[in-house]
Amino acid sequence: GAVVSQHPSWVICKSGTSVKIECRSLDFQATTMFWYRQFPKQSLMLMATSNEGSKATYEQGVEKDKFLINHASLTLSTLTVTSAHPEDSSFYICSATPRLDLTEAFFGQGTRLTVV
Amino acid sequence: ILNVEQSPQSLHVQEGDSTNFTCSFPSSNFYALHWYRWETAKSPEALFVMTLNGDEKKKGRISATLNTKEGYSYLYIKGSQPEDSATYLCAFIADKLIFGTGTRLQVFP
Repeated sequence: GAVVSQHPSWVICKSGTSVKIECRSLDFQATTMFWYRQFPKQSLMLMATSNEGSKATYEQGVEKDKFLINHASLTLSTLTVTSAHPEDSSFYICSATPRLDLTEAFFGQGTRLTVV
Repeated sequence: ILNVEQSPQSLHVQEGDSTNFTCSFPSSNFYALHWYRWETAKSPEALFVMTLNGDEKKKGRISATLNTKEGYSYLYIKGSQPEDSATYLCAFIADKLIFGTGTRLQVFP
């Protein structure tokens, strides 16, 4: 299957700093990339959808100024958690698809963010 | 609000047992459903994309069925092995993927 690479796999940062997470599709061009967050014992919650060259579409309740998403190319999307606080500690995972109908969707390995 | 539910939340079985779990989803305006297998510290791995009512797909010892009229899909594992231990996720395709909470399977030798 296609490969999506997400970095870093884990990060610890101090409260107030910003953290950037990268998501790359290695062997296909991703028309759309998705960013998810997972709280303990809950399902993957979609945060935002990003398309190359356009502004991300954020889900209700997700602060766009807090979670900056940039989709600079067909193979790279980044999520920046700005001015991170302990409540932002979570598991973040990206998904990329080459198909508009979402019948193929490939995931990165996820990033465990801990804000201290 | 579209709701996707999976049951059971967790399952412990002995090696060699067969097992199955359920994904329930809205039956109206169905397009497609994904099943993923997610091992710890790895990326979720796509197992099946189910599109047609009555679909049955198979991959080795794992198979899945789909009933779009009543809004459920079953995932079966025949003769479970310890390496089958993982979380199994289903995802309903609307204008985005809507995930269930997953079924965590542990297979004991």
